Amino acid sequence: DTEVTQTPKHLVMGMTNKKSLKCEQHMGHRAMYWYKQKAKKPPELMFVYSYEKLSINESVPSRFSPECPNSSLLNLHLHALQPEDSALYLCASSPGGTGELFFGEGSRLTVL
Amino acid sequence: QKEVEQNSGPLSVPEGAIASLNCTYSDRGSQSFFWYRQYSGKSPELIMFIYSNGDKEDGRFTAQLNKASQYVSLLIRDSQPSDSATYLCAVNTGTASKLTFGTGTRLQVTL
Repeated sequence: DTEVTQTPKHLVMGMTNKKSLKCEQHMGHRAMYWYKQKAKKPPELMFVYSYEKLSINESVPSRFSPECPNSSLLNLHLHALQPEDSALYLCASSPGGTGELFFGEGSRLTVL
Repeated sequence: QKEVEQNSGPLSVPEGAIASLNCTYSDRGSQSFFWYRQYSGKSPELIMFIYSNGDKEDGRFTAQLNKASQYVSLLIRDSQPSDSATYLCAVNTGTASKLTFGTGTRLQVTL
């Protein structure tokens, strides 16, 4: 079982909805990540939090808003999304903030 | 120009054979290299990482790194049908926290 837990596993939302994806890890890792993955494509980095502070934002549209309430939790707030935002959203954590990523199972998002 | 390149495959090998997966990268300053396995419909899972030139072995898996030639490879010995998955090469480029993935190689192990 993965030690990075993501909820919900599936989400369907309309373009005017506001929803949030949640991620939790209890491994004491200092870095947490949001990735987006489309079918048959590699994961694309969206955001990186290091010690609860946003350290990387890969020019992600403002309709995606990350939040790190504490060292174990990571949220991704979604608002006014477009159908092309439909994808698998992966949360990951890393003990050293390097490339040793532990992924959650992902939240599969469909925007209608 | 892509920073991390992999042959998309599929790479088909018979059960029991050695599967060889290759990856090249463009940033000469890259310091660390990772192989992730992703089953269809699942999230990526870290298999191996390597930081120094040479070989690193872990069970049936061997990672090989050649920084001068800018390639990293993954060998899977005694391939099993359960090894059938997409293998993603990933490289730290720029900051330590930024990992760039290749497009992945799909491996099929046939009976």
